Amino acid sequence: QKEVEQNSGPLSVPEGAIASLNCTYSDRGSQSFFWYRQYSGKSPELIMFIYSNGDKEDGRFTAQLNKASQYVSLLIRDSQPSDSATYLCAVNRSGGSYIPTFGRGTSLIVHP
Amino acid sequence: GAVVSQHPSWVICKSGTSVKIECRSLDFQATTMFWYRQFPKQSLMLMATSNEGSKATYEQGVEKDKFLINHASLTLSTLTVTSAHPEDSSFYICSANRGLNYEQYFGPGTRLTVT
Repeated sequence: QKEVEQNSGPLSVPEGAIASLNCTYSDRGSQSFFWYRQYSGKSPELIMFIYSNGDKEDGRFTAQLNKASQYVSLLIRDSQPSDSATYLCAVNRSGGSYIPTFGRGTSLIVHP
Repeated sequence: GAVVSQHPSWVICKSGTSVKIECRSLDFQATTMFWYRQFPKQSLMLMATSNEGSKATYEQGVEKDKFLINHASLTLSTLTVTSAHPEDSSFYICSANRGLNYEQYFGPGTRLTVT
């Protein structure tokens, strides 16, 4: 069983700080990596995807991928209370699959 | 955008009855849709992959005769929970794959309560 591991948290950061969310995966052949945000009682929404080693920036969000270490992270700059949610890491199965494996998610709390 | 709708958003049914949940991609065609279940404080659990015009592929441990999936068109997949029991009460979420980078777009979810 291929796994995606995330620290369940909660991760608590003050407003305006950088929140760093981490994810490791076991399927070395995985090619596509995603971050989703899920507010309590709601369905997930896509924040970012990344498939090349290095950083990818989109507004206040930066995804970082290191395939050698099987590690993907999400940085949220200038964190806002509205960023408080559970962040799910998803990794597509190897072999060019479009079927994802989700981590359990990290709960982020941004306090004023 | 990539909009996915689900209907109903919540449903209460009696034990032993069947419930159908619809998932529609509103502004794109989806050859593949996914069905998930999520219990409180738990992560998403993939139940099955729904392919247009063919049989769904179920994940290990998911009863295909209990969770009937039909993907009759490129914009509609349905999940029918047959002979529902209280332990089937959960948040059911569908998603559609939009290709290129295989990112998924989720419907708003259906909260099922079986009494």
